[in-house]
Parts: sequence; C-alpha cells; structure tokens
Amino acid sequence: KNEVEQSPQNLTAQEGEFITINCSYSVGISALHWLQQHPGGGIVSLFMLSSGKKKHGRLIATINIQEKHSSLHITASHPRDSAVYICAVGVDNNNDMRFGAGTRLTVKP
Amino acid sequence: DGGITQSPKYLFRKEGQNVTLSCEQNLNHDAMYWYRQDPGQGLRLIYYSQIVNDFQKGDIAEGYSVSREKKESFPLTVTSAQKNPTAFYLCASSKWAYNEQFFGPGTRLTVL
Repeated sequence: KNEVEQSPQNLTAQEGEFITINCSYSVGISALHWLQQHPGGGIVSLFMLSSGKKKHGRLIATINIQEKHSSLHITASHPRDSAVYICAVGVDNNNDMRFGAGTRLTVKP
Repeated sequence: DGGITQSPKYLFRKEGQNVTLSCEQNLNHDAMYWYRQDPGQGLRLIYYSQIVNDFQKGDIAEGYSVSREKKESFPLTVTSAQKNPTAFYLCASSKWAYNEQFFGPGTRLTVL
C-alpha cells in the first residue's frame, strides 16, 4: 500500500463545477504539499500546510491531522485548471518526501 | 528572474551510453533534489543534496550519480547501469531540506 493515496485517479468536470480531490496518508508528517503539474511537465507548488485550511484565489486546501486526510477544492472550475494535481507529504523525523500518483483533472468548456 | 532550469527538455540516447542532465538554480537555495516520474506513479527521489559537496541517495539511486560542486548546480548522470532509464526527470530546490520545493521544467529522457 502506498503511503500517500489520492482519489480519484481521473476526474472530468464541466466548466463552473466545484471540484474536490482527496489525499490520505499513512505516515507522520511535518507538512503536506499540493502541487500542480501542467501538460508540459512543469510542476508548481500550490500549497504547503500542516494544519487547518489555506485559500488562494479559487483554490482551497484543508488538512485533518487526526484523520490523516487532506482535500484540495477548486471553485468555479475552468478549462485552464486542467492538469495533474499531486499530493506530497514531508515525512516526520527523517525529512523524507512521499508523493501520491496524482489526479488528472480535465475541465470541459 | 529567479528560477530553476533544466536542460535539455528532450534527450535521446542509445542504450549503454551515459548521459548527464543539467539542473541550475539562482534562488540561493541550499537543498536540491532529483526525482524520476513514470506514468501512473508518484515522483520517486533519486538523490538529494542539502549543502555543497554533500549528497545522499534517495529511494532509487542505483544506476545514477550526482555531484554538487557549486550551490547553483546539481547535475545528474544516468549511467549504463540503470536498467530502465527512459523516464521524465525533475529537479527541484528548496531553501532548506524539505521546505517548500520549487521544480524545474523537467527533462524527458528516451533511451533507444
């Protein structure tokens, strides 16, 4: 079993829909990261969080440390949000990083 | 503009040849990383360096080598000992070890 599991693997939505991507992890963490990978391959860091909730524009990330679960929400989705979204955790005590396999999001106009 | 660059974007090599992938950053970051990405899998750590002249193996270091002679540069050599080198390679850097990481655009290596 992977230490970081994401769901769904693939997600197709219509423009304007509210999107939720989930991430569960099984290790103790120092922080959780949400990354966005564009079709060309480049990766951008969206959020780094260790508790609570963060918001940036239409993106919201939440984390529940007790349940070892995080969600990434996109409000009013747009075709330009189409990308692969990756959850990654910094493993506590050894500074290691573990990555989920990613969620491929396609937003149709 | 500050950033992290990788070159080339696409690279083709014959089986049995060593190849070196470039990674340069001007963010004044101490830590640098190399990851490998295969379809349907999460990124896997090959090597990382927390400071100049020091580096450690990641999860899949076999068949790879690195050097960190300068703070700005962390080249990765894919040797002929790497059994399945065709993949997408990503370099990243962070101010400190495993702080928020900034990624380069990646190099897609195809071994023919």
